[in-house]
Amino acid sequence: QVQLVQSGAEVKKPGASVKVSCKASGYTFTGYYLHWVRQAPGQGLEWMGWIKANSDATYYAQKFQGRVTMTRDTSISTAYMELSRLRSDDTAVYYCARSSSGTYYEYDYWGQGTLVTVSS
Amino acid sequence: DIQMTQSPSSLSASVGDRVTITCRASHTVSTYLNWYQQKSGKAPNLLIYAASSLQSGVPSRFSGSGSGTDFTLTISSLQPEDFATYYCHQTYNTPFTFGQGTRLEIK
Repeated sequence: QVQLVQSGAEVKKPGASVKVSCKASGYTFTGYYLHWVRQAPGQGLEWMGWIKANSDATYYAQKFQGRVTMTRDTSISTAYMELSRLRSDDTAVYYCARSSSGTYYEYDYWGQGTLVTVSS
Repeated sequence: DIQMTQSPSSLSASVGDRVTITCRASHTVSTYLNWYQQKSGKAPNLLIYAASSLQSGVPSRFSGSGSGTDFTLTISSLQPEDFATYYCHQTYNTPFTFGQGTRLEIK
């Protein structure tokens, strides 16, 4: 069965970086996009960008450009999202989600989420 | 960026009620509109894609309609497990954007 398993919770200080992983199983990793979506405590969903797993092409929301880097390692079917220069308002649950290409980019599978807490 | 506005922001309803949630886009998104359900502490779950296509495994009491800028999600007969927050999401143009969410509560 398809699974996306994310790395564990992180606590970081302002100005630091965090790298969250998303390990895929149960499907052909390179056949899909992986998107990253975050959710601040008590708030709605915010789209951050995507990586195309078969080419490492990326697209980042302008809000995060310059601070976010999405990568993947096809040998271990894992995608990564690194966010730098962390601020307190980056405290959120970060999700990875899978979508097909050439469709409506619907997210049919999601990771369980990774809580990133930014606090001095 | 395309802004997505959901209404209402919150809604109280009873088991068995018919409920409709509206999502309006600031510019056309054609039918690149997906709906998600999120329960507290869990990842979102896909309900409807391409505005009106029911995701596999989702109960048929959920339905979606619309195109262009105006969309609706309807639950024909609310069940206890449907009390959650619902989000629309446009994937027509990047950045893909979500509505602010509609919280569906038990009356």
